[in-house]
Amino acid sequence: EVQLVESGGGLVQPGRSLRLSCAASGFTFDDYAMHWVRQAPGKGLEWVSGISWNSGSIGYADSVKGRFTISRDNAKNSLYLQMNSLRAEDTALYYCAKGLHPRSGYSGYDPFDYWGQGTLVTVSS
Amino acid sequence: QSALTQPASVSGSPGQSITISCTGTSSDVGGYNYVSWYQQHPGKAPKLMIYEVSNRPSGVPDRFSGSKSGNTASLTISGLQAEDEADYYCSSYTSSSTHVVFGGGTKLTVL
Repeated sequence: EVQLVESGGGLVQPGRSLRLSCAASGFTFDDYAMHWVRQAPGKGLEWVSGISWNSGSIGYADSVKGRFTISRDNAKNSLYLQMNSLRAEDTALYYCAKGLHPRSGYSGYDPFDYWGQGTLVTVSS
Repeated sequence: QSALTQPASVSGSPGQSITISCTGTSSDVGGYNYVSWYQQHPGKAPKLMIYEVSNRPSGVPDRFSGSKSGNTASLTISGLQAEDEADYYCSSYTSSSTHVVFGGGTKLTVL
């Protein structure tokens, strides 16, 4: 059974940093692209960042480019999101999501077939 | 404002069919066959229902179908059931630097 478990969320002041983690199990992690998708309270979904199966291609939404860094450790079956210079508008539930097609890049060609339950990030003073 | 436009809400009675539209541009929906649809129940994670315009993942009932015409993609649910009541989001590949765009979501109410 595919499982994605996010952690690392919490309350943080504007301008500070936070690192999210996603622990994956139930599939061959290093065969699939992985993504972070967020959802602000009461709002819709927003793709944040994606990373290919081998970390060879990485992409970011314009809203987080230069502030967030995605990475993965295939030996640990884990995905990460380093979030710096956090803003109030980054407040959201952050989901980790798995790409559908094996050996795919991070791009929108690859839909998200499994999602974690999310970790809440609140940016407030 | 979301990159893809969806109606805020749709409704239907049990057994009926409904269609949710998702309108984009030639840079996303109209230019590529990489449209996906996700179902999200309150407090739950999204679930992939349709990918590449009309493909259903294993386990998704065939009551759910997808199509596309020009810059507009559509999700049709036939034989509506109470458990179909949820929010539905479309997404598409886009040639912009973001590569992935979502619609604003549609709340489906089963009357």
